Amino acid sequence: AQSVTQLGSHVSVSEGALVLLRCNYSSSVPPYLFWYVQYPNQGLQLLLKYTSAATLVKGINGFEAEFKKSETSFHLTKPSAHMSDAAEYFCVDNQGGKLIFGQGTELSVKP
Amino acid sequence: DTAVSQTPKYLVTQMGNDKSIKCEQNLGHDTMYWYKQDSKKFLKIMFSYNNKELIINETVPNRFSPKSPDKAHLNLHINSLELGDSAVYFCASSQGGNGLDEQFFGPGTRLTVL
Repeated sequence: AQSVTQLGSHVSVSEGALVLLRCNYSSSVPPYLFWYVQYPNQGLQLLLKYTSAATLVKGINGFEAEFKKSETSFHLTKPSAHMSDAAEYFCVDNQGGKLIFGQGTELSVKP
Repeated sequence: DTAVSQTPKYLVTQMGNDKSIKCEQNLGHDTMYWYKQDSKKFLKIMFSYNNKELIINETVPNRFSPKSPDKAHLNLHINSLELGDSAVYFCASSQGGNGLDEQFFGPGTRLTVL
């Protein structure tokens, strides 16, 4: 069965530092991958999605992710963290119309 | 104007009770979903409906029964509530039902079973 693994349940960075949230997938067919963000006490919001058109995907709020088939990875990055980026981030794979979620990574941003 | 709304936001009830959560979307989407988020924030799909027809039904106890009176509404009824049902339930919607379209999530309903 397909699965999504997020390395690190909690990542802490300083404001202005690089954000790197790691995600690996195990799909045996070309995956359709997403990153969703959940701000405290809110629903999820799409950050970006990969659908095989381009390996580097740009999303909202300065985030981007690179699809690397050889590494089965889809890591999320942002060059400079803001306090407002503190949230839970989910890497997601589409399995035949069903979204399969990673376990989530909580990002903390220190002033 | 809220795109996907859920009521109630909080629900506290006793074991054995029956409760419903309502969801409405005003985006004109064809597909709606229910997700369960447990205390460790793990999210799992429960059901999805496309134009009022059930298309995904995960291994959810049959105490959970979704109902879609029209394509803008997807309600979740839970019978004989158990302690393990305590979670946050999210409703979502998307234009298509193949999982490729962005899903828009409601704010969640926090269910606590005592």
